[in-house]
Amino acid sequence: GQSLEQPSEVTAVEGAIVQINCTYQTSGFYGLSWYQQHDGGAPTFLSYNALDGLEETGRFSSFLSRSDSYGYLLLQELQMKDSASYFCAVSLISASKIIFGSGTRLSIRP
Amino acid sequence: DAGVIQSPRHEVTEMGQEVTLRCKPISGHDYLFWYRQTMMRGLELLIYFNNNVPIDDSGMPEDRFSAKMPNASFSTLKIQPSEPRDSAVYFCASSLGKPSGNTIYFGEGSWLTVV
Repeated sequence: GQSLEQPSEVTAVEGAIVQINCTYQTSGFYGLSWYQQHDGGAPTFLSYNALDGLEETGRFSSFLSRSDSYGYLLLQELQMKDSASYFCAVSLISASKIIFGSGTRLSIRP
Repeated sequence: DAGVIQSPRHEVTEMGQEVTLRCKPISGHDYLFWYRQTMMRGLELLIYFNNNVPIDDSGMPEDRFSAKMPNASFSTLKIQPSEPRDSAVYFCASSLGKPSGNTIYFGEGSWLTVV
């Protein structure tokens, strides 16, 4: 089967940098995605890695290493509004669906 | 352009009652997904459709759950009879083409409480 593991909670300070890791076990996938979800809201797309390496989008970067079955989301210059849950996800080759990790709740302190 | 529209946004119902959740995908999208989110189990894929045809319902928890997509602009998820353990947020999502990670859009969710 497929599984994605993330830390359940991470705490960081406003203005700092935080990295959220994702390790996975899956037979084959197109890419690794990251989604943000604020309390009471819907998951929204943040970043996508189809290939190994780093993708940068403003304050957010995402990294994928297929050989290590590992990826991470890097958030820089943290702002209070970044307090949310973050999910990694894979889009499976064998089926037209996206499987999500359990999510990491990021709390930011002033 | 309107996003994925779900209704109702909130529903409180008594155990044993029938619950129907509705979804209108983004116009032109050919894939539709129903997810359930709980604290314990995270985001679970229940079922998905391609061109209105159910493709994979392996995530549907039991026979009390059913989903239909009578046309390209409407889908329902029905729970009959409902139980307290069905309390969760149900998300509908749609995609244009096979989702590759950056092409799936979620609705705002339907918050279901079964008492």
